[in-house]
Amino acid sequence: DTAVSQTPKYLVTQMGNDKSIKCEQNLGHDTMYWYKQDSKKFLKIMFSYNNKELIINETVPNRFSPKSPDKAHLNLHINSLELGDSAVYFCASSRTGRGQSQFFGPGTRLTVL
Amino acid sequence: GQQLNQSPQSMFIQEGEDVSMNCTSSSIFNTWLWYKQDPGEGPVLLIALYKAGELTSNGRLTAQFGITRKDSFLNISASIPSDVGIYFCAGQPGNQFYFGTGTSLTVIP
Repeated sequence: DTAVSQTPKYLVTQMGNDKSIKCEQNLGHDTMYWYKQDSKKFLKIMFSYNNKELIINETVPNRFSPKSPDKAHLNLHINSLELGDSAVYFCASSRTGRGQSQFFGPGTRLTVL
Repeated sequence: GQQLNQSPQSMFIQEGEDVSMNCTSSSIFNTWLWYKQDPGEGPVLLIALYKAGELTSNGRLTAQFGITRKDSFLNISASIPSDVGIYFCAGQPGNQFYFGTGTSLTVIP
């Protein structure tokens, strides 16, 4: 069974479009995250949700909006896509608190043309 | 956000050699994690460390939580071709995770 799953795996779209990436975890974790990995492989946290509430929102354009319908899901919606949004986006989850390990999804490669 | 300094940035080694990499931060961490990322996949947790001075092994991998709590080390012994990938450290000073810049490892058969 997949622990953290993301869909789609690949997403190719035109500039200006709106797109969503879905994430689901079946680990019973109560904290979920979205990361962006750029072409240099830097992993940068974008958002963190705990029990459906936003707890971290790093410097991310407000075109990016996370939505958590329940503890097992954290979706990422992106409006008005730009060329610079091209990257791999990873969802992750963990239990809350110190000393907890994060588990990552397989990633979604977004290409904006 | 904070970013951890990881070195070396890349390594090219012969199969069978040992590998060492490290990660440093400017602040004290209470958890250190080491991940490996294969091409086209998400990072996979290798080792988790929770106490200063802790030394933990996972097969040929050994990681240590630095005594100062501002660094961590990962060693891979007798490397094999499937060790190829990018290795990330991650630290947790509180509830938030910070990731290192990654070490790209290439193993030459």
